[in-house]
Amino acid sequence: QQKVQQSPESLTVSEGAMASLNCTFSDGTSDNFRWYRQHSGKGLEVLVSIFSDGEKEEGRFTAHLNRASLHVSLHIREPQPSDSAVYLCAMSKFVGDNSKLIWGLGTSLVVNP
Amino acid sequence: GGIITQTPKFLIGQEGQKLTLKCQQNFNHDTMYWYRQDSGKGLRLIYYSITENDLQKGDLSEGYDASREKKSSFSLTVTSAQKNEMAVFLCASSHRGREQYFGPGTRLTVL
Repeated sequence: QQKVQQSPESLTVSEGAMASLNCTFSDGTSDNFRWYRQHSGKGLEVLVSIFSDGEKEEGRFTAHLNRASLHVSLHIREPQPSDSAVYLCAMSKFVGDNSKLIWGLGTSLVVNP
Repeated sequence: GGIITQTPKFLIGQEGQKLTLKCQQNFNHDTMYWYRQDSGKGLRLIYYSITENDLQKGDLSEGYDASREKKSSFSLTVTSAQKNEMAVFLCASSHRGREQYFGPGTRLTVL
């Protein structure tokens, strides 16, 4: 069964210090990998979607993918208190014309001023 | 840009009650999804629909019905609410296999 494991479960950083979140997955043939953010009581907001090995940057958010080591990470540059949220990693596999997402359980990030 | 609207925002039901949740999107996306989010269990797919009147079961479809009345709307019915059940139901839409965009969720509490 395909799985996605996120670490750490929770992370506290100071404003301005880099925050790094990790995700390991069981299936290196997945089509792409996505990082979402969920503020308390809100829906999910897509941050970065990556399918090639290497790095992809979207503003202050950078994802690194290494399929060989079954690992994708998210780095948040200059985090702010408003970045405090749960960060979810998902791997995507195409099923016909659509994709199925397998989700991790999330990392709860707190950014202290 | 577009938006996904879910109603109601909070839903309180009684054990055994049939409850309906609604979702509307104006992205003009083909595919819509219903997920259940439980603390400590992540998101689990209940149903999805790739076009109007289509319905596909997800991993957690037992105990639920769904209906894609038109391209922009997708409703979910809890057929018999379970006592002490608490969960968040998230609706999402996408253009085929591309990024899924999520609504704010409906928070269900069963007394």
